[in-house]
Amino acid sequence: QKEVEQDPGPLSVPEGAIVSLNCTYSNSAFQYFMWYRQYSRKGPELLMYTYSSGNKEDGRFTAQVDKSSKYISLFIRDSQPSDSATYLCAPYHTDKLIFGTGTRLQVFP
Amino acid sequence: NAGVMQNPRHLVRRRGQEARLRCSPVKGHSHVYWYRQLPEEGLKFMVYLQKENIIDESGMPKERFSAEFPKEGPSILRIQQVVRGDSAAYFCASSPPVVNTEAFFGQGTRLTVV
Repeated sequence: QKEVEQDPGPLSVPEGAIVSLNCTYSNSAFQYFMWYRQYSRKGPELLMYTYSSGNKEDGRFTAQVDKSSKYISLFIRDSQPSDSATYLCAPYHTDKLIFGTGTRLQVFP
Repeated sequence: NAGVMQNPRHLVRRRGQEARLRCSPVKGHSHVYWYRQLPEEGLKFMVYLQKENIIDESGMPKERFSAEFPKEGPSILRIQQVVRGDSAAYFCASSPPVVNTEAFFGQGTRLTVV
């Protein structure tokens, strides 16, 4: 079983839609949960991170962690074509990021 | 402020040659990480270094791969006797001394072995 599972997509939505991106993980010791965005042929860019369970909001983005079910979510409100990218969830543990395979998101005008 | 700088951006090597990938962290960052992204796979941790020290190399292949972060100069990831399976994107990230959770990535070096 992979430590972090993420649906690879692609996920295709119209502009303005609410997007839900999800990951599951297996290690209950994970405490920090990061979300990165990666545009094609570029390096990952840190969007936001949460500590333990709960929600965190930053503009149009909301990150949510449910440690009881080992489930991580990223919601994007009012999605824009510029949000088209691959989104990577990555728990941080013992000095390293453990990445999912990423979900490719396409927002069409 | 310059971000994490990696060079070269693209590197082509023939089988059996050596590849040297360089990473200059964000100014003031003393922690450097190397990750590898194989086609259609996620990023995989390779090694974590601080100045002149390897902290965690649990993700490094046992042979042919080495990494260093000297007191002066960039971090180097070295791959000896490259094989086709080494073709991948190699990303470097850096973080400040206290806040390890905020890692900033470079644009990567895309290695192609022919």
